[in-house]
Amino acid sequence: EVQLVESGGGLVEPGGSLRLSCAASGFTFRNTWMSWVRQAPGKGLEWVGRIKSKTVGGTTDYAAPVKGRFTISRDDSKNTLYLQMNSLKSEDTAVYYCTTTTNTVTTWSWGQGTLVTVSS
Amino acid sequence: QSALTQPPSASGSPGQSVTISCTGTSSDVGGYNYVSWYQQHPGKAPKLMIYEVTKRPSGVPDRFSGSKSGNTASLTVSGLQAEDEADYYCSSYVGSNTPYVFGPGTKVTVL
Repeated sequence: EVQLVESGGGLVEPGGSLRLSCAASGFTFRNTWMSWVRQAPGKGLEWVGRIKSKTVGGTTDYAAPVKGRFTISRDDSKNTLYLQMNSLKSEDTAVYYCTTTTNTVTTWSWGQGTLVTVSS
Repeated sequence: QSALTQPPSASGSPGQSVTISCTGTSSDVGGYNYVSWYQQHPGKAPKLMIYEVTKRPSGVPDRFSGSKSGNTASLTVSGLQAEDEADYYCSSYVGSNTPYVFGPGTKVTVL
């Protein structure tokens, strides 16, 4: 069974940084593309970014609102996905979900999410 | 960044059918057969219900079906049940650099 467990959320001041982690199990992590999706309180889903498997280069893509501020990385030896968030803004406040992804399907499996609150 | 449109709400009585539309452009919905649909109950993570326009993941009831015509994709829920009351989001592949976009969501109410 696919399991994705996010951690690292919390309260951070505007301009601050935070790193989210996602522990993966139940599938071959190193061969799987991964995405982060967020949902602001009471709002819809927003795709944040993805990282391909290292077998196809491990490249990353980002949504325009986070490009240059957020970085996705992976440690295949630890079956863990990361989201480094810098220069945080109030509009980054959201539940952040770790998901599996493919080139043709936005997301397959989802974690339970972790809440990030950007506020002074 | 392309945008998809969905009706904010839809409703139906138990046993009836409800269809939700997801309209994009030839650069996203119309250009690829890569539309997905997600169901989200309050306080829960979303769940994949339909992928690649018409395909159902294992475990999703066949009451859920997807289709596409031109730049508009649709999700139909037949034989509505109380547990189908949820928010539904469409998503489409839009190209290599920013590959995915979600629609704004549709709240389905079972009357």
